[in-house]
Amino acid sequence: GENVEQHPSTLSVQEGDSAVIKCTYSDSASNYFPWYKQELGKGPQLIIDIRSNVGEKKDQRIAVTLNKTAKHFSLHITETQPEDSAVYFCAASPDSWGKLQFGAGTQVVVTP
Amino acid sequence: ETGVTQSPTHLIKTRGQQVTLRCSSQSGHNTVSWYQQALGQGPQFIFQYYREEENGRGNFPPRFSGLQFPNYSSELNVNALELDDSALYLCASSRTGVGNEQFFGPGTRLTVL
Repeated sequence: GENVEQHPSTLSVQEGDSAVIKCTYSDSASNYFPWYKQELGKGPQLIIDIRSNVGEKKDQRIAVTLNKTAKHFSLHITETQPEDSAVYFCAASPDSWGKLQFGAGTQVVVTP
Repeated sequence: ETGVTQSPTHLIKTRGQQVTLRCSSQSGHNTVSWYQQALGQGPQFIFQYYREEENGRGNFPPRFSGLQFPNYSSELNVNALELDDSALYLCASSRTGVGNEQFFGPGTRLTVL
């Protein structure tokens, strides 16, 4: 089955700096890669996703890149703000039903 | 548009007991997936329901079972609770045929003593 690894486990950045989180996956059949943000006491919130036929996608301060050959994808947050502080999860899905295999998460702390 | 809702918010049970968790899917969504999230870990896929039938299952024993109703709401049942079942249980809904996007509810925090 699919295995997703996520790094780093914690990331501390100064407000205004960029944050990068990297994930690798094992199943070459995976074709859908979402990113979720989870705040304390809440469920994961979908922030951006990318499909296997696209190499990069951007939404305001957030961007995701995908390298299918190397089986890795990354989340980039620019101009970080304190409200970006949360746990971020990458995930991969090998079918059209969206059954997700998650990474272990990255705790992002943005200090003013 | 109403989001995914789950009940109850918190639950405390003892080993060996049974528990039922409930989920109402987002308006217009016909597929429901359940995930278990242990403290400090990523969510793990339990199973998915589509058209009231189980549509795929993760690495969870048969004492984890589910139901989906005609209005697309769903239940997760866990029998013979074990201490390791303590976790946040998340429900996610999606609309088949319109991409894979899954939207999560706030979860039910289950504590097994």
